[in-house]
Amino acid sequence: DSGVTQTPKHLITATGQRVTLRCSPRSGDLSVYWYQQSLDQGLQFLIQYYNGEERAKGNILERFSAQQFPDLHSELNLSSLELGDSALYFCASSATPGTLLGNEQFFGPGTRLTVL
Amino acid sequence: AQKITQTQPGMFVQEKEAVTLDCTYDTSDPSYGLFWYKQPSSGEMIFLIYQGSYDQQNATEGRYSLNFQKARKSANLVISASQLGDSAMYFCAMREGVGSQGNLIFGKGTKLSVKP
Repeated sequence: DSGVTQTPKHLITATGQRVTLRCSPRSGDLSVYWYQQSLDQGLQFLIQYYNGEERAKGNILERFSAQQFPDLHSELNLSSLELGDSALYFCASSATPGTLLGNEQFFGPGTRLTVL
Repeated sequence: AQKITQTQPGMFVQEKEAVTLDCTYDTSDPSYGLFWYKQPSSGEMIFLIYQGSYDQQNATEGRYSLNFQKARKSANLVISASQLGDSAMYFCAMREGVGSQGNLIFGKGTKLSVKP
């Protein structure tokens, strides 16, 4: 158990809908990263938050947004869903923004999103 | 150009034997970190081992060791005495630069199957 929790574990929805994925980082970790794992794109970095502020953006679509709350949990919002958004979405946390290269990222169990 | 290349989509190894999973990387940054993660069929991402670009010695963690050849830009994972529970996807990842935002760049992965 990494200490990172994600809910829900599975999510099935229809095209055009909006969903929210939730992540609670490990106790004390200020940095949260979101990754998407799909069959065709592999594992891709979406966005990072540190202590409530957005720190870095990767290949995140404009239909997707995220935020980190004062209690440090984070939510990833996916809207106008398309079939291609079906993927496993991971949240990871680390203690710092990543200035230490060896800072391990602890991954949550993921949320499997299926868009029908 | 791909930053992380894993050329073996699938590998087989006999139980109790050693296996090497290949990873090459591409960066012009002198400071970087290399990681290996294991993803069993259950889906979670499990951190295995880390190697920093300035580390003089190859990293080892139990049955896992990292064969780091900086000049060749390779960071192969060696698993000794393979066990059935080692059957999983293995991902090589890199984090670039001191002061980087810290997100990981992943390879496409290698599926390892351990035969009894």
